[in-house]
Amino acid sequence: EIVLTQSPGTLSLSPGERATLSCRASQSVSSNLAWYQHKPGQPPRLLIYGASTRATGIPDRFSGGGSGTDFTLTISRLEPEDFALYYCQQYGGSPRTFGQGTKVEVK
Amino acid sequence: EVQLVESGGDLVQPGGSLRLSCAVSGFTFSVYWMAWVRQAPGKGLEWVAHIKPDESEKYYVDSVKGRFTISRDNAKKSLYLHVDNLRAEDTAMYYCARDNNALFDYWGRGTLVTVSS
Repeated sequence: EIVLTQSPGTLSLSPGERATLSCRASQSVSSNLAWYQHKPGQPPRLLIYGASTRATGIPDRFSGGGSGTDFTLTISRLEPEDFALYYCQQYGGSPRTFGQGTKVEVK
Repeated sequence: EVQLVESGGDLVQPGGSLRLSCAVSGFTFSVYWMAWVRQAPGKGLEWVAHIKPDESEKYYVDSVKGRFTISRDNAKKSLYLHVDNLRAEDTAMYYCARDNNALFDYWGRGTLVTVSS
């Protein structure tokens, strides 16, 4: 099973700041990496797939990068609605697995 | 508008059973793989099971094999998860999700299963 490790666990930032989230895989997943946003009481939302392709309707302040074992999700300028939990998920190996999440909170 | 609405979660004793349901609207249910994903309290997301459109293929995470059964009714646009022999570690929010080329592109809000005596 491929283990995904996300860092940091919590990111404390102010609106307008840049957020950089990391996801590291225990073995290569090529570009088969997705990012999801999850807010309490709401369904998770697909943000990025293929490591860097934004899903339909996702604002361009969200960008993804990386390949192999190291990936990043960048939010260029945090909007109030961006404070949430973020998960990475790999689909390069079976079973598909998720990271433990990074919480982006208001500083 | 795509909607997935789960139901059936409850407080159940260890060893008990439940059937979780997911009612879908807003897309052609019968052509998509579908999945269940869960989140235990304070933990991350975990893929549980997924099913092919014609039910000919079903896959499960190792920890639920032999205890959980995924099924679907394309005529009713519904997905199910029958959970047997429940354990405390099965306590979680269970989400129904559309499984689109290994991505979970639409999710429901979840149904809570609590296993406790």
